Amino acid sequence: KQEVTQIPAALSVPEGENLVLNCSFTDSAIYNLQWFRQDPGKGLTSLLLIQSSQREQTSGRLNASLDKSSGRSTLYIAASQPGDSATYLCAVYNNNDMRFGAGTRLTVKP
Amino acid sequence: DAGVIQSPRHEVTEMGQEVTLRCKPISGHNSLFWYRQTMMRGLELLIYFNNNVPIDDSGMPEDRFSAKMPNASFSTLKIQPSEPRDSAVYFCASSFSEQGELFFGEGSRLTVL
Repeated sequence: KQEVTQIPAALSVPEGENLVLNCSFTDSAIYNLQWFRQDPGKGLTSLLLIQSSQREQTSGRLNASLDKSSGRSTLYIAASQPGDSATYLCAVYNNNDMRFGAGTRLTVKP
Repeated sequence: DAGVIQSPRHEVTEMGQEVTLRCKPISGHNSLFWYRQTMMRGLELLIYFNNNVPIDDSGMPEDRFSAKMPNASFSTLKIQPSEPRDSAVYFCASSFSEQGELFFGEGSRLTVL
């Protein structure tokens, strides 16, 4: 059974810093991995989708990488801004099932 | 596109009452998912449909929960009778395919007193 872990659970950084969020999974036979952002009281917003054949995806200041063999993905946020404050979740799809991590709560201080 | 639309956004009801949550997926998407989110358990997949057919309902907690998708543009999640432990945020999500990028609605926050 796939298990998805996100470390750290919470992270606080000053504005302008570059940061990395981590996601690990136990079963490397995945179809894809998706990163989401969730603001308080809101739904999940898709940030990046990485197919199993890809190594990374980029969107603006965000870059997500995937290393299936080691069961890891990272989300890199460049030049963080207070508006980036949210909970970031990764989700892994395999065997007709999508498993979510518990998320990393990010606070970017002005 | 308006995105995934869920209603109601908030529901407060008393134990034993029937609750019906509604979802309209993104037009053209053929996979629809119902999730439940709580502080204790995070996001849990309840059931998903592909081309209006339920594929996996192993996440449905018990017989009090049922879900239907009568057509490609509408789905319901029903709880009857509701219990306080059902209090959670229920999300609907849709994608172009079972393995495609997932798009979520804003959720329905359910409180059962």
